[in-house]
Order: sequence, then C-alpha cells, then structure tokens
Amino acid sequence: AQKITQTQPGMFVQEKEAVTLDCTYDTSDQSYGLFWYKQPSSGEMIFLIYQGSYDEQNATEGRYSLNFQKARKSANLVISASQLGDSAMYFCAMREGGYSSGSKIIFGSGTRLSIRP
Amino acid sequence: KAGVTQTPRYLIKTRGQQVTLSCSPISGHRSVSWYQQTPGQGLQFLFEYFSETQRNKGNFPGRFSGRQFSNSRSEMNVSTLELGDSALYLCASSLGDVDNQPQHFGDGTRLSIL
Repeated sequence: AQKITQTQPGMFVQEKEAVTLDCTYDTSDQSYGLFWYKQPSSGEMIFLIYQGSYDEQNATEGRYSLNFQKARKSANLVISASQLGDSAMYFCAMREGGYSSGSKIIFGSGTRLSIRP
Repeated sequence: KAGVTQTPRYLIKTRGQQVTLSCSPISGHRSVSWYQQTPGQGLQFLFEYFSETQRNKGNFPGRFSGRQFSNSRSEMNVSTLELGDSALYLCASSLGDVDNQPQHFGDGTRLSIL
C-alpha cells in the first residue's frame, strides 16, 4: 500500500533563510507522481510543485524546488529565502500509477512551518 | 479562470440529519475528488468522479456518497450524520487524464455536527 511520511510536525525558521521540509514515500509502482501543497490558516490548499517518477531533473517553481532522491524514496521540498507569508501547513502527496487507472492521491500528515521575523 | 467553488462554506447540522455539499470544478476539468480533513486523521480521500462515473473510492462507510453531473459539477451526500463527521470537506478538480497535472482545491465546506 502506498504511504507518505512527513516526520517534522512543526518547524520554526528565521525569515530569509532556506528551509527543507522532509517527505518520504513508499510504493511498489514504477510510475507515480509527487506533489506538495500549502495550506494557510484560511484553509485553502494551494498547489506548489510536482515531480513525476520518470522526471530526471528536480522540479523547480520559483522559490520552491523538490529534492527528488528516487533510490531513497524521498521528495523533500526546499523553500529558498523564506518569507513571512510562507507560514502555513505543508503537505506532501503521492499519486500511484496514472489518473487513467483510477489512482487516488494520498497525503502525508503535514508539517507546520512558522517563519520568524 | 474561476477556481473550484464549494458551497456552502459553513454548515451546522445535528446528529441523524443528512447533508449535501456542492462542488463546481474549474472549467474543462472532468475529475472531481472529495476529501475529509480532521485534526486527528488528516486528509482522507473519499472518492473521485470522472465523466460522471465514480473512478475510485476511499475507505468510508456507505453513508458517504457522491455523484457527478454532465457539466462536471459534483455533489457529496452524507446521511445519518454522526458527531465524528465534523470536518472540513475539500473538493479538488483536475483534468483527470493528464498525469502531471495537479488537483486544484476549493476553499472547503466546514461541517459541524451538534
């Protein structure tokens, strides 16, 4: 069964520092996708970044990058130059297989990131 | 482009009642998924609809049901409400047939059971 593990329940980081949020996953499928979402206190889920299992390069989106280590089954999110607005809950998620096979997305338990001014 | 719209935003019900939540996906998205989010259990997948057919289902009792209409709008119904059904219910839409496209979430419906 697929599983996502986020081992950091909470983190405090100084503004402008870089931060790495950990995510490990477990799957026996060769084809899968990994996502990171941000959930501010207002509740909406905001998509940040995607990494496909066959993508050879790490995904990047602005200040967000995904450190994908396939052999270790880890997909850590790196936020460069953190800002106060980055304070939120961050979820790692995985889709095993493709959408057409009816695969679902499962989420980790999340990491609450707090940025100190 | 309008985002995913969920109505209502807040709902208060009592035990034993039933409730219907609505989700309008992003235009062009044919997949709609529903999630339940609680502090104790986190985000749990309820079901996914694609082109009016339930394509996947999570481990929830039969009291939780859904449907999708021809315009891709989806509804979720919970019957015989229990206190434990109090949660934030999130709807997410996606193209549904392109693997590298993410799900886009609505703001959720916060359901409170008294």
